[in-house]
Amino acid sequence: GAVVSQHPSWVICKSGTSVKIECRSLDFQATTMFWYRQFPKQSLMLMATSNEGSKATYEQGVEKDKFLINHASLTLSTLTVTSAHPEDSSFYICSARGGALFNEKLFFGSGTQLSVL
Amino acid sequence: DAKTTQPPSMDCAEGRAANLPCNHSTISGNEYVYWYRQIHSQGPQYIIHGLKNNETNEMASLIITEDRKSSTLILPHATLRDTAVYYCLQARQLTFGSGTQLTVLP
Repeated sequence: GAVVSQHPSWVICKSGTSVKIECRSLDFQATTMFWYRQFPKQSLMLMATSNEGSKATYEQGVEKDKFLINHASLTLSTLTVTSAHPEDSSFYICSARGGALFNEKLFFGSGTQLSVL
Repeated sequence: DAKTTQPPSMDCAEGRAANLPCNHSTISGNEYVYWYRQIHSQGPQYIIHGLKNNETNEMASLIITEDRKSSTLILPHATLRDTAVYYCLQARQLTFGSGTQLTVLP
């Protein structure tokens, strides 16, 4: 079945550095992918919608220059956390919508735990 | 904003059925209802989905009311590994509600 692969699973970085997270759709093309972040004991919060070949759409309060999204192909979207700071430490999850063939089902990656020191 | 509402928490004895309700009163006529669960520090895991008819798979059963404004996820024989946060979503919904924290007790 369709799968979304997300890498890395966890990353530790120093404050001020940038971190890139990859999200790939396997066995299906995803014109639209979604990025979420999740803090401990909270629900998933939608950050942005990633559109293949065009600019991402960010939710209110999410800094587009802080969280750079690139969706250069139908199977790959990347999220880059630029100049990371400790408050960016969180669990980041991507998802892709399967489209009509999959009854609009959302497929989720396994998540990336980011820790900024 | 989330379009579904669920109770924040439920307990269930191991081996018993767990029934998790969800209200989705704004669902469109051709919009599916999806259920996912999330175990700590993992991505959401797909469980089941349905449109109008009741559905069953190897993980669970889904009962959808005739007016489609609510549904119930049934885990027929809950195990300790079913302890997780369960989310219901309308197909076109992207924002998650708080979900239901199901705790299966030994």
